[in-house]
Amino acid sequence: DADVTQTPRNRITKTGKRIMLECSQTKGHDRMYWYRQDPGLGLRLIYYSFDVKDINKGEISDGYSVSRQAQAKFSLSLESAIPNQTALYFCATSVDPFMNEQFFGPGTRLTVL
Amino acid sequence: AQTVTQSQPEMSVQEAETVTLSCTYDTSESNYYLFWYKQPPSRQMILVIRQEAYKQQNATENRFSVNFQKAAKSFSLKISDSQLGDTAMYFCAFQTSGTYKYIFGTGTRLKVLA
Repeated sequence: DADVTQTPRNRITKTGKRIMLECSQTKGHDRMYWYRQDPGLGLRLIYYSFDVKDINKGEISDGYSVSRQAQAKFSLSLESAIPNQTALYFCATSVDPFMNEQFFGPGTRLTVL
Repeated sequence: AQTVTQSQPEMSVQEAETVTLSCTYDTSESNYYLFWYKQPPSRQMILVIRQEAYKQQNATENRFSVNFQKAAKSFSLKISDSQLGDTAMYFCAFQTSGTYKYIFGTGTRLKVLA
């Protein structure tokens, strides 16, 4: 079984809809991250969390919110989706931020019409 | 601000040949880490290799090796004996020591030709 899972894998929604992307991990890592991948732009950090009570904005947090329900679960919400939020979204985890590999989920491809 | 540049959007290589992917970065920090991640068509991000800036010796993982030139702020990835399974998007990433933040390059799409 995968250590970092994301649901759904693919989603098509309409402008103005609220949508939640979910991430679960079985690695026991405290640190979790949400990234967005756009063609030609690489991966950009949306939010990150170092534990259940510690949530921080990344470089492109506008239009997004997150919830850390437990050590193992970190959800990303789009309160009112817009077409330029069409992208590939990745959840990642790490043991700590120092020179450690980040472990990525399989990604969620979101299309906003 | 730190930046990571991958100047080759696409590359191709014949199976069994060697290919080098380029990455340059800009930072005023002296202690940092560099990574290469692979993203095959499955979309999964997989760590290929990592390098600590304080180490002069270039990292090697089987067919993958890096050429780390700290003064030039260059971190290229060499893939030897290329295989069809190496076909993927490759991302260079940078992390300042003691911070949470990864900065990713824009990626190089590599296609290995049979």
